[in-house]
Parts: sequence; C-alpha cells; structure tokens
Amino acid sequence: GESVGLHLPTLSVQEGDNSIINCAYSNSASDYFIWYKQESGKGPQFIIDIRSNMDKRQGQRVTVLLNKTVKHLSLQIAATQPGDSAVYFCAENSAGNMLTFGGGTRLMVKP
Amino acid sequence: NAGVMQNPRHLVRRRGQEARLRCSPMKGHSHVYWYRQLPEEGLKFMVYLQKENIIDESGMPKERFSAEFPKEGPSILRIQQVVRGDSAAYFCASSRTGMNTEAFFGQGTRLTVV
Repeated sequence: GESVGLHLPTLSVQEGDNSIINCAYSNSASDYFIWYKQESGKGPQFIIDIRSNMDKRQGQRVTVLLNKTVKHLSLQIAATQPGDSAVYFCAENSAGNMLTFGGGTRLMVKP
Repeated sequence: NAGVMQNPRHLVRRRGQEARLRCSPMKGHSHVYWYRQLPEEGLKFMVYLQKENIIDESGMPKERFSAEFPKEGPSILRIQQVVRGDSAAYFCASSRTGMNTEAFFGQGTRLTVV
C-alpha cells in the first residue's frame, strides 16, 4: 500500500506485482512531462515522457497516463522487479526554460 | 557516447571557501541546466545556459552563486564564500533543443560544507 512518512511518500509492492505511482501537477499550461528514476547516490534517469496532446504512452514495462482534466500523471510499472526500487519523480515543463519537479515517491520492492 | 559528466563527484569545503562544480554536456547538446537537491527532496531549478549565454537564472540565489558556459570547455557553477546551508547535491542536465525535449542528468556533485 501507499503511506506518507516523515519524508518521501513510500509505495511498497511485492516483486512481480504492478506498481502505480501518481503525481499531481499544478500548471494547466504544462505541455510536456517526464518521469525520472533516481537511485541512491545517482542522478535522475530518464524513464519516459509524454506531451499534452497525448493521454497515454507506453515503453518497455512502463506506461505513463496523463489526465489533463484533473492535472494528474501516473507511471505504471508492470511486473515490478527489485531493480525498480528507487525514488521516482515526475517533472513538468510549462515555462519553456525549466523542468519543475514533484516531491518524489519512494518505490520499495519486496522479494 | 558519454552521458553528462560532472566533476568532482564529492567536494568538501570549509565555510568561506569557494566551490567550483563542472559539467560537460552530452555530445551534440548545447543546452545546460543546473539543479540543486536537498536530501529527501525534489530537484530545484537554478539556472539555464546556452553557450556563452545565461538564458534563465531565476532559481539562482542573488549573491555568491554564478554560472557560466563558455564557448570552449565545461559549464561551471561557482559558489563563493560557502556556508553550511549550501551543502547539497548539485545536478547538471543537458538537452539538444531545450526543456521540451529529453533532458539527461549527470551523476551530480555532492557538496559538503564543514
């Protein structure tokens, strides 16, 4: 299940299950969104992106869904593996010059 | 094809010293962005540069911080007279045509001010 701790919200899933990580954005003018994965001590790693003229995009084991009506973005990971354990950030581009990052969700995969 | 290269990976400075962080973008990328990350937090935008130009520095503190991206060589983020509150991870990202396309991050420089 999902819980909110003192710091990052954490999602714990069993290995092999599907994971869904959610993100709310605030700027209705945002037209480009990216999901990043960050492992401990490393930089953010690009996972998948989506433009505002789409509502779904699929990659390898990952799917991003965009609901512009409620300004909500989600990342679905199929058949979650231990190597998927990391912090996941959504980022939006609205001002043209920068990506604005969300607060992040820690995904923990139990073997 | 090397990714975004940042050095040093770890930097320790005493209060009052200067910190210089370097970033070499991916080959073919002319847009560079610097972000700062505190533990357990997201990344906060600092500055956006293209070769020899600062495009957006709206996230940079007004004092002690500066950035450059010269015609030749890496982008430099410079922090003068560091204070303990400057301790953080500093990440550089690059993209080919701006932030409405894929942006790739380096591994970061972890600055510790003692």
